[in-house]
Amino acid sequence: EAQVTQNPRYLITVTGKKLTVTCSQNMNHEYMSWYRQDPGLGLRQIYYSMNVEVTDKGDVPEGYKVSRKEKRNFPLILESPSPNQTSLYFCASSPGTGLNTEAFFGQGTRLTVV
Amino acid sequence: AQTVTQSQPEMSVQEAETVTLSCTYDTSESDYYLFWYKQPPSRQMILVIRQEAYKQQNATENRFSVNFQKAAKSFSLKISDSQLGDAAMYFCAYRSSPSGGSNYKLTFGKGTLLTVNP
Repeated sequence: EAQVTQNPRYLITVTGKKLTVTCSQNMNHEYMSWYRQDPGLGLRQIYYSMNVEVTDKGDVPEGYKVSRKEKRNFPLILESPSPNQTSLYFCASSPGTGLNTEAFFGQGTRLTVV
Repeated sequence: AQTVTQSQPEMSVQEAETVTLSCTYDTSESDYYLFWYKQPPSRQMILVIRQEAYKQQNATENRFSVNFQKAAKSFSLKISDSQLGDAAMYFCAYRSSPSGGSNYKLTFGKGTLLTVNP
């Protein structure tokens, strides 16, 4: 089954403790991105990747890192999480960079930083 | 920068009735796509319908249709014969090419929470 898999789905952590949210897609998609969803703000892009070893900042990159060593994986790294990073996170992938290509989303990761 | 505005934070509809969700956007680009995504309580983001800016004909997917007014920069979603399973958060989204400064990202509105009453 074609899908984007995020792990974990729920995570509670403490301020400053490094964490990684994994994202993997099995559709051989080139384009991947991370979004955060906050009430009243919709979804905002954190980072994106056009292909392996090609990543760049989105609209809200502060406090996050990403890597794209393999085409299928695009982990989101929080080196020193803070409470303002409490949010719902989505990984998404698309087959290419066409405007009409559908974005496939993971199930979301609910992160709470205390 | 492109912006997407959904002016209705919440809407409700009776089962079997029709409801229209509003979306406006701001852009100087000529080539772009518009999308409506549905997010049920499961949190999964589900593509409902998409519209290319160059196509004058409004997109339709079963009970879902759009009213795309390019000059007015308006992209509303009409749900006909509403069903209980339509209850969800609905997001309007915009995508343009990197020449428009977007890196193909989706720019989302803040969402409209739709309640369907039995």
